[in-house]
Formats: sequence, structure tokens, C-alpha cells
Amino acid sequence: ETGVTQTPRHLVMGMTNKKSLKCEQHLGHNAMYWYKQSAKKPLELMFVYNFKEQTENNSVPSRFSPECPNSSHLFLHLHTLQPEDSALYLCASSQTQDRGTGEQYFGPGTRLTVT
Amino acid sequence: GENVEQHPSTLSVQEGDSAVIKCTYSDSASNYFPWYKQELGKRPQLIIDIRSNVGEKKDQRIAVTLNKTAKHFSLHITETQPEDSAVYFCAASIGDSGYSTLTFGKGTMLLVSP
Repeated sequence: ETGVTQTPRHLVMGMTNKKSLKCEQHLGHNAMYWYKQSAKKPLELMFVYNFKEQTENNSVPSRFSPECPNSSHLFLHLHTLQPEDSALYLCASSQTQDRGTGEQYFGPGTRLTVT
Repeated sequence: GENVEQHPSTLSVQEGDSAVIKCTYSDSASNYFPWYKQELGKRPQLIIDIRSNVGEKKDQRIAVTLNKTAKHFSLHITETQPEDSAVYFCAASIGDSGYSTLTFGKGTMLLVSP
């Protein structure tokens, strides 16, 4: 599948490292999302970008910094993370439409381990 | 904000049986309710959704019902098959902003035994 891609697929980093996650969508969508998926927890929405503008930030710690240079690309910059930040980070995209009922298409995720 | 509760957390059925997963939501303004299936090691994928102007929707062996008064919605899978084994997530969205901000339930792990 090539609709929404994410790199890297796996990442191990120390607490003092700086790394970035990348997401790219080839669907012509104009909204992109970052989610965190931890074991035994619901998918947690982190950030939403609509037409490159950040529209949601669900009280995410500042050690996570999103960037959306255009409607097709989304980054999540990571620095000084904690072990509890270890999780699967999923990117998604959707086509904005009336009443916000657009299907979200997910990428394969980046499995992040913080040591 | 919206809160979505999902039950059960795990569900084991025999092949051919029916499976029902239930979700409740808190915000009466929610108007879009998708269901996602996530197979082990794979991405979540939409399997069916329902909007608040209908009470039921069917797609082959899958159906979703919505009761807006009670603020609950359910996923029904009939004639289950081993390939239905996965984690299923319900979600609710208040679609007033032009993009869908989904609040997800915790997921139900469905195991279908041959």
C-alpha cells in the first residue's frame, strides 16, 4: 500500500537523542494527524493539521514538536523523550469535507522505543 | 470533551457465530461513528461507518447500529471467520470543523476459533 507512508518503521533512541518521524500521503488529502498508540490504551490524538495549519494540540508535551511543510508531508520531531513515550506512532490523513466526516487513512506506524 | 467507552475488551467466538461489540459516547453533538479494524502488526483500516442521520447500516456480514437517544452504537459481525480475528476500535467525532477529530474507544480483541 502506498497511500500513507511512514519512516522509519522502527526507531530506538536514547533519552538525550533528537530524531524525527516522517509521514507522507499520496491521496490528495488536506488534513493530517499524529496519533500515539500504547498497549491497553485507546488511540490518542496528538496533533491535527488542516491545510498545513495546526488546528489541534491535545496537551502534548513540548518534547514532541510537529511540522507540516505542505499538505502531503508531516513530521514529528522528538527530543529528550522519556521511556513512557515508547509506543507506536501513527500518522493519518483525510479529505476535509462538510461536517468533518472524512474517513481517516492510517500509515503503518513507527514503533518507537526510548531507552 | 468526548469520551468513548468500548466493551468487551476481548471477545472469543467460534467460527460461524456472531460477534457484537458495543460503544457508548458522551457528547450528544457527535455525529460520525466509524469502526476500524487493526490486524496484528498492521495499520487500522476503516471497515464501516455511520452518520447520525441513520440508525443502521449493513455491508455484507458487518452491520452497525446507532441509538442517538441512548448515545450508543454497536458493531455486529455475522458468520465470523478466522480472518475476522483482529482488534476493533470504535470512534466518535464531532464533525463541525471540516476535518474529523476522532475519539477512539480502547479496542476489542476479537478471536475467532476455527
